[in-house]
Amino acid sequence: GAGVSQSPSNKVTEKGKDVELRCDPISGHTALYWYRQSLGQGLEFLIYFQGNSAPDKSGLPSDRFSAERTGGSVSTLTIQRTQQEDSAVYLCASSLAGANYGYTFGSGTRLTVV
Amino acid sequence: AQTVTQSQPEMSVQEAETVTLSCTYDTSENNYYLFWYKQPPSRQMILVIRQEAYKQQNATENRFSVNFQKAAKSFSLKISDSQLGDTAMYFCAFDFGNNDMRFGAGTRLTVKP
Repeated sequence: GAGVSQSPSNKVTEKGKDVELRCDPISGHTALYWYRQSLGQGLEFLIYFQGNSAPDKSGLPSDRFSAERTGGSVSTLTIQRTQQEDSAVYLCASSLAGANYGYTFGSGTRLTVV
Repeated sequence: AQTVTQSQPEMSVQEAETVTLSCTYDTSENNYYLFWYKQPPSRQMILVIRQEAYKQQNATENRFSVNFQKAAKSFSLKISDSQLGDTAMYFCAFDFGNNDMRFGAGTRLTVKP
């Protein structure tokens, strides 16, 4: 596609429920990243996918967080048993084979856990 | 430790004037890539400008330019002829290699009419 697409744009969920956030990267971009941005804060790295290699999961804050990327394209970030501290904007970005040329970001999903 | 510091949480500038946003970093690497991103209220992060550490010439993109001082580990963004549409959060970021991009905490810039 023309840009990185994320859905839903906004999600309100009850504490304890599971949520799935979707990212559709730019066609041909082999690298895909998930970041979390709490209100008024910078970006916190969560996970990175590069081609068919094993993902770099070093930024996932707990085992309630997981992500997969099917067919080297669409990615889904899943948060199980959501907590209020999970409330944030979740940003997805993609790039050509690494970050040297910068990322293209989606518009993010604003998650609110009530 | 590889860190990125933006020491100005908020700044403001009058329309048509010039403003400089500061960023410093710490690394032992010699070659890396530096970026400034803009995040307007729409939330989408937009790449403003990119600098390669091994290039001494400062990058320029229209009204946006950087002052890259490698020895001082400083990477500031200058916005000339500020426009209302420049109002946004600005993040500096560094790719230290191995796909490890670090972002600063951001500077909220307000352009006043």
